[in-house]
Amino acid sequence: ETGVTQSPTHLIKTRGQQVTLRCSSQSGHNTVSWYQQALGQGPQFIFQYYREEENGRGNFPPRFSGLQFPNYSSELNVNALELDDSALYLCASSLVRLTGTGSGYTFGSGTRLTVV
Amino acid sequence: RKEVEQDPGPFNVPEGATVAFNCTYSNSASQSFFWYRQDCRKEPKLLMSVYSSGNEDGRFTAQLNRASQYISLLIRDSKLSDSATYLCVVSFSGNTPLVFGKGTRLSVIA
Repeated sequence: ETGVTQSPTHLIKTRGQQVTLRCSSQSGHNTVSWYQQALGQGPQFIFQYYREEENGRGNFPPRFSGLQFPNYSSELNVNALELDDSALYLCASSLVRLTGTGSGYTFGSGTRLTVV
Repeated sequence: RKEVEQDPGPFNVPEGATVAFNCTYSNSASQSFFWYRQDCRKEPKLLMSVYSSGNEDGRFTAQLNRASQYISLLIRDSKLSDSATYLCVVSFSGNTPLVFGKGTRLSVIA
C-alpha cells in the first residue's frame, strides 16, 4: 500500500507567478484535501475534492483552485502568488464510503513553497 | 475566537516527567477529536483519536469533556523522542475537514 506522495518537495517562486502542486492519493482512497501551514501555525483547510468535484472550501480566495483526476490524484493551483503564500502545503487523502463513513486522513510530506 | 485554541508553549521538561496539554474548541457540533504529532518540517501524523470515555495508548492518555468543550493529552514518563509539536484537531464528522489548533511545542531534555 503506497502512501500519499506530493511533488515537488520544495519550490521557490516570484511574487505574481503561478504554481501547481501535485498529490497522489493513497491506494484505495477517493478523497483529497489540501491544507496550508504557515510557519508557527496549524494547518488551515483550503479545499477538498471528492469524485473530481470540489466538496468543501475553507477561507481562501479564488486564486487558489484545484483539480481531482479520475485516478484520485489532485493538483493545487495558486495564481498571482503573494509573499504570504509562503508555507508548507499539505495534501491528505481519505476514503469516503457511500454510507458516509470514512477511513481517516493520511497526510503527504508536503511541498514547501517560498515566494520571494 | 479561534475554533481550536492551544497553549503554544514551549513546554521544556526533563526525561521521565509527566506533561499535560490542553485544548478548547468553539464548535459544539464537533463530533471527532484527535491529537496529531508533527516533527520539525514534517507532516502531521495521527497520535490518537479522543473518545468521550477517555482513552489510553501506552504512555499517552487523552480525555474529552464535551460540556466544557475541552480536550487534554497527558504524556507520562516523557522520552527524548517525544519532542515535537502536538496539534489538537477537531472535525464535525469523520469525513469533514480537520480543524487544527496552532500546536503546542514540547521539548524533552536529558
